[in-house]
This record gives sequence, structure tokens and C-alpha cells, in this order.
Amino acid sequence: SQTIHQWPATLVQPVGSPLSLECTVEGTSNPNLYWYRQAAGRGLQLLFYSVGIGQISSEVPQNLSASRPQDRQFILSSKKLLLSDSGFYLCAWSSTRGTEAFFGQGTRLTVV
Amino acid sequence: EDQVTQSPEALRLQEGESSSLNCSYTVSGLRGLFWYRQDPGKGPEFLFTLYSAGEEKEKERLKATLTKKESFLHITAPKPEDSATYLCAVQVGGNEKLTFGTGTRLTIIP
Repeated sequence: SQTIHQWPATLVQPVGSPLSLECTVEGTSNPNLYWYRQAAGRGLQLLFYSVGIGQISSEVPQNLSASRPQDRQFILSSKKLLLSDSGFYLCAWSSTRGTEAFFGQGTRLTVV
Repeated sequence: EDQVTQSPEALRLQEGESSSLNCSYTVSGLRGLFWYRQDPGKGPEFLFTLYSAGEEKEKERLKATLTKKESFLHITAPKPEDSATYLCAVQVGGNEKLTFGTGTRLTIIP
């Protein structure tokens, strides 16, 4: 069966520090991969998605970037965090058919 | 622009009191509508996919239905463990992304 791993679960970082969140998927090949952010009391906002290695689509211009160095690895990065980057970050995958997405357990990021 | 609106924002029910959650959508070319359950501090858990008007899916005390403009998540005789936020999302044909509503926070009181 397919599983998705996302870490760390919680992270407290100072303003101006770099960020790297990692997500890996097991049990499937060539998945579509997604990074979402969920602010308190708000819906999930799609940040990036990828349909293959090195292929990244950005949905919202911002302080973040994403990379997909391997088929089942998706990384969310920032060179310098802002207070507004605080939130709950979720990685997800779907099959190449692009239907339902399956989510990881999320990373709670607090920028102080 | 694709829009998904969920109502109510919050719903409190007594254990055993059945009700429905609503998800209305405005999209061009619906490819699929999805329901998720999210517990506090956790990632969303997939429940159902609906593809066409008239389709219904069931799982335990939950039943999801779809029309051309909205979807309902019916919960029958709920239990306290059904307390969670329920999210609705849509996918448009030719697009890989899901557009989510803001969710309904459901609380079942013992």
C-alpha cells in the first residue's frame, strides 16, 4: 500500500532563517505531488504541484520554493522565513490519473 | 474562478441526531468532487470521490451525494468520534489541482 511521510511534525524558526520541509511517498511510481498551506480557520491553499521530476508549478507567488529531486521526493524551501510563513504545511500525492489526493500528517511551522 | 463554499461553518449535534453538511461549487467542467475528514493537528483523511450528478457513496454513518451545483454529506445517527472538520474539494477537467472549501467543523455531543 502507499504511504506518505512528512517531517518534521513541528518546527519553530526565527525570522530570516532558512526552511526545508521534506515529503516522501512509498508504494507508487510517478505520483503527482502537492504542497498545501492551511492557515487557522481557512481552507487549504495550494502552493506548488509537480507531475514529474524537476517539473514544478507554482500557484501563489511568495517567499517559498519547491523542488522534486527524485520521483517520490518533494521538498519545500525558503531562503529567509517571514512571520507570514507561519502555518500548517501539508504534502499530498495523487496518481497520474489525478483524482483523489492523499495527505501526510502535516508540519506546524511557527516563525518567531 | 473555481469556487467552493461549505455550510454551515460549524455544527453541533447531539449523539444520534442526523444532519447534513453542504458543499456548493461553481466550476467549469467538474472532473470530481472529494470529501475529506480532518482531525485537529492532522492531515485530511480521504472519504469519498463523486464524479457525476446523481452519484452516491456511503461509508458507515456517512453518505455523500452530488448534484450539478452542490454536494451533501449526510451523517446518520452520529457518534462523538464523528467529531471533526469535514472538507470538500473540487477538481476541474484538465487541471491537476484540488480547490478546497473552508470546511464544516462538526461536534457531536454525547
